[in-house]
Amino acid sequence: AQRVTQPEKLLSVFKGAPVELKCNYSYSGSPELFWYVQYSRQRLQLLLRHISRESIKGFTADLNKGETSFHLKKPFAQEEDSAMYYCALKVSGNTPLVFGKGTRLSVIA
Amino acid sequence: DVKVTQSSRYLVKRTGEKVFLECVQDMDHENMFWYRQDPGLGLRLIYFSYDVKMKEKGDIPEGYSVSREKKERFSLILESASTNQTSMYLCASSPSLVYEQYFGPGTRLTVT
Repeated sequence: AQRVTQPEKLLSVFKGAPVELKCNYSYSGSPELFWYVQYSRQRLQLLLRHISRESIKGFTADLNKGETSFHLKKPFAQEEDSAMYYCALKVSGNTPLVFGKGTRLSVIA
Repeated sequence: DVKVTQSSRYLVKRTGEKVFLECVQDMDHENMFWYRQDPGLGLRLIYFSYDVKMKEKGDIPEGYSVSREKKERFSLILESASTNQTSMYLCASSPSLVYEQYFGPGTRLTVT
């Protein structure tokens, strides 16, 4: 079965430090991967998708098929990055996204 | 701008009550979803619908049912609420299963 693993429930970093939120997936086909973010008292929203190869709010994520990973990175964390982050996997066919359990990022001033 | 609205932000119900959670989207999306969000468990899919009157079970459908009589509206029903259904419920919609999902603000349900 397809699965998304986010090994860290909570990640705390200091402001200005690099951030890496880990995401690993299990799927034998060609995946599509997404990062969703939920800021405090806001709705869950798409942050970025691997197919776009874009940087959003300074975040990037590269799909590594060999390691089946899609880690989210940012070189210098900001306090406003504190939020809940979910990695999600889209497999082929008429199936919904599979979400990981989420990682809460806390950026300390 | 896609808008997904949920009927209540907070709801308190008693054990055994029938509970209706309503979700409306205004972008003519085909697909709609209901999730529950719990600390440490992440998002878990309850039901989804890819067309009017169509529904598919997600990962945790037990104790829930859904209704989609109109394209824009997707209702989640708890036939007999129990305390273990206390949770944050999120509704989402998307134009197809391959595209981005747009989420509502959530309904925090407490069952006492």
